[in-house]
Amino acid sequence: DTAVSQTPKYLVTQMGNDKSIKCEQNLGHDTMYWYKQDSKKFLKIMFSYNNKELIINETVPNRFSPKSPDKAHLNLHINSLELGDSAVYFCASSPPLGGNIQYFGAGTRLSVL
Amino acid sequence: AQSVTQPDIHITVSEGASLELRCNYSYGATPYLFWYVQSPGQGLQLLLKYFSGDTLVQGIKGFEAEFKRSQSSFNLRKPSVHWSDAAEYFCAVGPYNTDKLIFGTGTRLQVFP
Repeated sequence: DTAVSQTPKYLVTQMGNDKSIKCEQNLGHDTMYWYKQDSKKFLKIMFSYNNKELIINETVPNRFSPKSPDKAHLNLHINSLELGDSAVYFCASSPPLGGNIQYFGAGTRLSVL
Repeated sequence: AQSVTQPDIHITVSEGASLELRCNYSYGATPYLFWYVQSPGQGLQLLLKYFSGDTLVQGIKGFEAEFKRSQSSFNLRKPSVHWSDAAEYFCAVGPYNTDKLIFGTGTRLQVFP
């Protein structure tokens, strides 16, 4: 059973389109995250949600909108995709009082053409 | 501002040789410290973590890391590298009382037979 699962694994789309990436965790964790990994492998946090409430928003363009329907899911919707959005997006989750230990999904490789 | 530096972008070792990957952090207090490994096309897997106590921590796959407060370092070591250790290694800081992880830029490890 995959603990943190993301879909799709690959996403190829045109500039200007709107797309969503889904994330689900079956670990019972309260906190979920989205990270962006650029072409140089640099990983940077975008958002975190705790029990459906936005906790961290790291000055990400408002074209990016996370949505958490319940604490097991954190989806990422991106409007008006730009070339610079091409990256690998990772979802992660962490348990309460877990000392920042985060469990990562396998990533979604987004290519904007 | 908190930051993590991994001075070595790329390291090549022979199988069976020892390994040390360097990590330095900048933070006002002792943070939570982590090493993650990313195999090609995969998500990040936690190798080990340091919260407090014994400064030498053991992780999975035979890895260990030593926290040195005086040097603000948390270097990762393995006495004998296996070909399957070839991957990207990320050091991360989890500032106390926040949920986010701040990652270094990663060190790519190549292992030659």
